[in-house]
Amino acid sequence: AQKITQTQPGMFVQEKEAVTLDCTYDTSDPSYGLFWYKQPSSGEMIFLIYQGSYDQQNATEGRYSLNFQKARKSANLVISASQLGDSAMYFCAMREGGGGTSYGKLTFGQGTILTVHP
Amino acid sequence: DSGVTQTPKHLITATGQRVTLRCSPRSGDLSVYWYQQSLDQGLQFLIQYYNGEERAKGNILERFSAQQFPDLHSELNLSSLELGDSALYFCASSPVFQGPRSYTFGSGTRLTVV
Repeated sequence: AQKITQTQPGMFVQEKEAVTLDCTYDTSDPSYGLFWYKQPSSGEMIFLIYQGSYDQQNATEGRYSLNFQKARKSANLVISASQLGDSAMYFCAMREGGGGTSYGKLTFGQGTILTVHP
Repeated sequence: DSGVTQTPKHLITATGQRVTLRCSPRSGDLSVYWYQQSLDQGLQFLIQYYNGEERAKGNILERFSAQQFPDLHSELNLSSLELGDSALYFCASSPVFQGPRSYTFGSGTRLTVV
């Protein structure tokens, strides 16, 4: 079974509007973390936002917020006031486990290509 | 500059050949992770080393091997290359996990097998 599912291969949004990118996950580990990364056409992986499984509040980082619904196992990324520079591939990822030196392996979803139109 | 250095940035080689990808982690980071990003498989975890020892293994082919040296740099060796090995190979590093920002990706090595 897929551990991270991103059901939107591609999304389009008008500049200055908000967009939500969907991510659902599957784990039986009570301790986990959810990441969102941006990958522009140049290829690098840019960290956007993180939500820990025990965090009480939804994470926010500037124009990025994470809509964390633990019971539904979803961690959707919301980008407010989209900009042309937001056009990129977006990956949701999960790390499982609470610590130790094998901590840190990430499982990625298939990604969503976001296109921002002027 | 993320602090994680991967060389070379691009590599073109023929089927059947062997290549070595190199990763220098961010200063002080003991863990190195290798990922493969291909069109058909997406982004997959290959292997993790911590302070010279293998700690976790993912979907790494037997033709692939890795190691981490005493200076903490890591090498990923790919042998008997096939067309399907063409991909972007990322290295990431972290200390013992101290939060999401401590997990840093390099800019990747784009391997093309012809």
